[in-house]
Amino acid sequence: QQKVQQSPESLSVPEGGMASLNCTSSDRNFQYFWWYRQHSGEGPKALMSIFSDGDKKEGRFTAHLNKASLHVSLHIRDSQPSDSALYFCAVSSSGSWQLIFGSGTQLTVMP
Amino acid sequence: EAAVTQSPRNKVTVTGGNVTLSCRQTNSHNYMYWYRQDTGHGLRLIHYSYGAGNLQIGDVPDGYKATRTTQEDFFLLLELASPSQTSLYFCASRAGLGGGETLYFGSGTRLTVL
Repeated sequence: QQKVQQSPESLSVPEGGMASLNCTSSDRNFQYFWWYRQHSGEGPKALMSIFSDGDKKEGRFTAHLNKASLHVSLHIRDSQPSDSALYFCAVSSSGSWQLIFGSGTQLTVMP
Repeated sequence: EAAVTQSPRNKVTVTGGNVTLSCRQTNSHNYMYWYRQDTGHGLRLIHYSYGAGNLQIGDVPDGYKATRTTQEDFFLLLELASPSQTSLYFCASRAGLGGGETLYFGSGTRLTVL
């Protein structure tokens, strides 16, 4: 079973700061990396996906993928208290029905 | 935004009890999934389905049954609940199998087995 490793487990940043989350997969047959965000008491919601090497930017969120190392990072600039949440990385693979999720990074943005 | 509705929101049962968790999606999605979420383990797939009457086994299926009665409805059954099944359960759906297809989650059911 392929694994998805996330780091750090938890992260605190000041309001207005930059948060950086990391994710590595063991599956070289991956198609997409996904980032999902889960606020307390809610279900996870998709933030963005990436499948090409390099950066993908959506507002304050930038994902960076290095396909050779199977590593993706998520950078949140100008972090807001509303960004405080559990962030999951997930991987979809060719021929598979499912997304494989990592164990998550708990982000706290301090006012 | 795609809609996935789970019920109940919270459930408490005793060891050996029967529990049914319900999920309905009104997105006309073919694929539906049941996950459990536990601290340190992330989201783990229990069962999934690609249409009414279809069922596929996920990564942690022991102690769980599931049934997809219609395109919209997917149920998770615990026939002899155990304390190890205390968890937060999520249902999800998506339209297709392409890697770029978004997975939409419900709000979850928190199950406690005493």
